[in-house]
Amino acid sequence: TQLLEQSPQFLSIQEGENLTVYCNSSSVFSSLQWYRQEPGEGPVLLVTVVTGGEVKKLKRLTFQFGDARKDSSLHITAAQPGDTGLYLCAGSTSGTYKYIFGTGTRLKVLA
Amino acid sequence: EAQVTQNPRYLITVTGKKLTVTCSQNMNHEYMSWYRQDPGLGLRQIYYSMNVEVTDKGDVPEGYKVSRKEKRNFPLILESPSPNQTSLYFCASGLWDREDEQYFGPGTRLTVT
Repeated sequence: TQLLEQSPQFLSIQEGENLTVYCNSSSVFSSLQWYRQEPGEGPVLLVTVVTGGEVKKLKRLTFQFGDARKDSSLHITAAQPGDTGLYLCAGSTSGTYKYIFGTGTRLKVLA
Repeated sequence: EAQVTQNPRYLITVTGKKLTVTCSQNMNHEYMSWYRQDPGLGLRQIYYSMNVEVTDKGDVPEGYKVSRKEKRNFPLILESPSPNQTSLYFCASGLWDREDEQYFGPGTRLTVT
């Protein structure tokens, strides 16, 4: 069974601090997505990474896909209260049409 | 506006009473999928569909049925709901190419008593 483990599970930080969320697996993924989910809403796609070693930036968010395509990280610079939410990673495997989701990292940014 | 819609948003029902949750997308996506989200277990895929009349099981398909008769619609059917199917359900649609992505609906909170 494929698993995606996210760490940390919970994170509470002050506005302006930096943070990194990790998404790890023993499986190789053909692509990996990061989503943010707010209470009462569906997940919203932030980014998709497909190439080992790939780095993508979205304003203050930096996403990296591991060289072996088994892990990924999300780094937030100068966190703001608007970054508060549940961050989810999800992987898909070449040859299947299934998605595996991590259990999520719940981030709270205090003003 | 490009979106995925689900109905109903909230549903309380009793064990054994058949129900259908509808899902519709207006983005002409070929790929559609259903997930359930439970505390501590995250999002788990129930069924997915690559195109009209093409469906397959995800990780937790037991107790659920789906159909894809039209490209835009992908209903989730619970023939005989049980309390362990109490959950938050999400429908998603998307592209399946090199940079696959999914767009999620707002969710349906189902309670089975």
